Amino acid sequence: GENVGLHLPTLSVQEGDNSIINCAYSNSASDYFIWYKQESGKGPQFIIDIRSNMDKRQGQRVTVLLNKTVKHLSLQIAATQPGDSAVYFCAETLNSGYALNFGKGTSLLVTP
Amino acid sequence: GAVVSQHPSWVICKSGTSVKIECRSLDFQATTMFWYRQFPKQSLMLMATSNEGSKATYEQGVEKDKFLINHASLTLSTLTVTSAHPEDSSFYICSAVNSGGSSYNEQFFGPGTRLTVL
Repeated sequence: GENVGLHLPTLSVQEGDNSIINCAYSNSASDYFIWYKQESGKGPQFIIDIRSNMDKRQGQRVTVLLNKTVKHLSLQIAATQPGDSAVYFCAETLNSGYALNFGKGTSLLVTP
Repeated sequence: GAVVSQHPSWVICKSGTSVKIECRSLDFQATTMFWYRQFPKQSLMLMATSNEGSKATYEQGVEKDKFLINHASLTLSTLTVTSAHPEDSSFYICSAVNSGGSSYNEQFFGPGTRLTVL
């Protein structure tokens, strides 16, 4: 992932709408990907993960899509709620290690 | 569920002093822990990998003599910021890998420690 500066991209959605957050990862050798949610002043919270042998995985209200051809991940949140407002990070890691490389993050703002 | 704690949650110190931050896995053993740093409105950046019973592995650009890491037990890693300066002010977050976990690469994050150096 690339840390590109002081301003996080922001996505503003209305409550009840679906949200799509995108991430470009950096290492074509990465084989495991995770989406985290981070609320202000707190540590990252695991949302959903996906391995490189899959292109889609669904959880409760969330879906992760992986496109290895273009090194792209997306997180879809269905029926977005005010409690979903937070910063969302994708992270990638290699098969042989545990260290996570975080993407730059997207701030999601849910308006009533 | 697996819980990781950090202490203190926030600390304010004077320039030139040293600050120790603790990271504990409360209900599992962690052979490996990681330390990340996060500046405002930025992403988490890996600082170092902490391995129980051996020396930490530091990322490029992170001074090992300034950020001392000790992983003396399977449930505790400490990060000491020595001779802290205002530019060290940041949010420090640790994570721990469950050594006995069945899930692939299961890593749990602590709540973070806010360091402010005056």
